[in-house]
Amino acid sequence: AQRVTQPEKLLSVFKGAPVELKCNYSYSGSPELFWYVQYSRQRLQLLLRHISRESIKGFTADLNKGETSFHLKKPFAQEEDSAMYYCALTPPGTYKYIFGTGTRLKVLA
Amino acid sequence: GAGVSQSPRYKVAKRGQDVALRCDPISGHVSLFWYQQALGQGPEFLTYFQNEAQLDKSGLPSDRFFAERPEGSVSTLKIQRTQQEDSAVYLCASRPDRGRRTEAFFGQGTRLTVV
Repeated sequence: AQRVTQPEKLLSVFKGAPVELKCNYSYSGSPELFWYVQYSRQRLQLLLRHISRESIKGFTADLNKGETSFHLKKPFAQEEDSAMYYCALTPPGTYKYIFGTGTRLKVLA
Repeated sequence: GAGVSQSPRYKVAKRGQDVALRCDPISGHVSLFWYQQALGQGPEFLTYFQNEAQLDKSGLPSDRFFAERPEGSVSTLKIQRTQQEDSAVYLCASRPDRGRRTEAFFGQGTRLTVV
């Protein structure tokens, strides 16, 4: 079955420290991969997608097809990065997202 | 408009009651999705519309759940004879086109509590 796994429910780091939010997926084809973020009291919004190879707010994510991973990274965490982060994929031939369970990132001062 | 709008924001229903949740997508958006998010979980897909056509309803958990989008804009998710396990946040999202890569815009959600 298609699945997205985010092994950490909570990740706490100090401001200025590097951050890596893990995401592994189980799908053998070529899914589209995304990271969505939800800041406190705000709606879920797109952070980045693998096809764009972009860096948003200092975050990057590299698709590793061999390890079926799409980890989210930032070299220096900021307090405003504290939020809930969801990894999601869209399997080929469909339009829906399959989400992971999310990781809450807390950046401590 | 300002974005995807959902109403009501909060709904408390007695077990066995019927509820209707409304979603106003961004004007002109072709694709519309409903997701269910239980406490501590990620959103789970319920159903997908392309304009007025419901192309995928594979995620609806039972025949008590019904969704419609009769004119290809506003959508309603109806839950009949609500059960406690239906308690969750129901999210609506829309996309401007049919693409798999375009961004989906989410509403604030409706928090349903069944007592």
